[in-house]
Amino acid sequence: DAGVIQSPRHEVTEMGQEVTLRCKPISGHDYLFWYRQTMMRGLELLIYFNNNVPIDDSGMPEDRFSAKMPNASFSTLKIQPSEPRDSAVYFCASRQQGGGNTIYFGEGSWLTVV
Amino acid sequence: ELKVEQNPLFLSMQEGKNYTIYCNYSTTSDRLYWYRQDPGKSLESLFVLLSNGAVKQEGRLMASLDTKARLSTLHITAAVHDLSATYFCAVGGYGSSNTGKLIFGQGTTLQVKP
Repeated sequence: DAGVIQSPRHEVTEMGQEVTLRCKPISGHDYLFWYRQTMMRGLELLIYFNNNVPIDDSGMPEDRFSAKMPNASFSTLKIQPSEPRDSAVYFCASRQQGGGNTIYFGEGSWLTVV
Repeated sequence: ELKVEQNPLFLSMQEGKNYTIYCNYSTTSDRLYWYRQDPGKSLESLFVLLSNGAVKQEGRLMASLDTKARLSTLHITAAVHDLSATYFCAVGGYGSSNTGKLIFGQGTTLQVKP
């Protein structure tokens, strides 16, 4: 399996622009997670889905952030409008149903908002 | 609210020495994960601990879980330079609320010197 695939790997954008991050989870995985990593706040869970349904979005910072999972093999995280404080690494991760199963992380999307 | 604390946050050690990283968490959980992250890279799963008293070992790393004390340890034996990385523990939900949601500790940056 190719693992969790994220795109773009790196993005530099200007403040106010819309940013869309994409994720393809591992085939057969029921859960999909979006995490954000910064030096100041560490790894934060933004939102997660189970069977394409958003379960907990309490970590989404504000209305500028939105996430969708239209099908089992694709999810997006959108920031509109972007701000410099959104600069971070955004990780997508997936997991198969079952308590002991590992959560696998993608390579991350490195976002810089200038 | 589940909180996860690691200590130390930074560890500089000589090759050949032993040391332990501690992970404390604030509420009942039945799953604990250890991850490794190299600079600029994704998170790599090391161990999944599912029950009280669980112990797992891989090479020079050994992880254990004490659910009563809400404590996990990652023990490093005879450290080598290749172990230099940041190590995260992450704690999941309990029982029927087992949703796969993980809360991460702050991370422990390990630097192994020749």
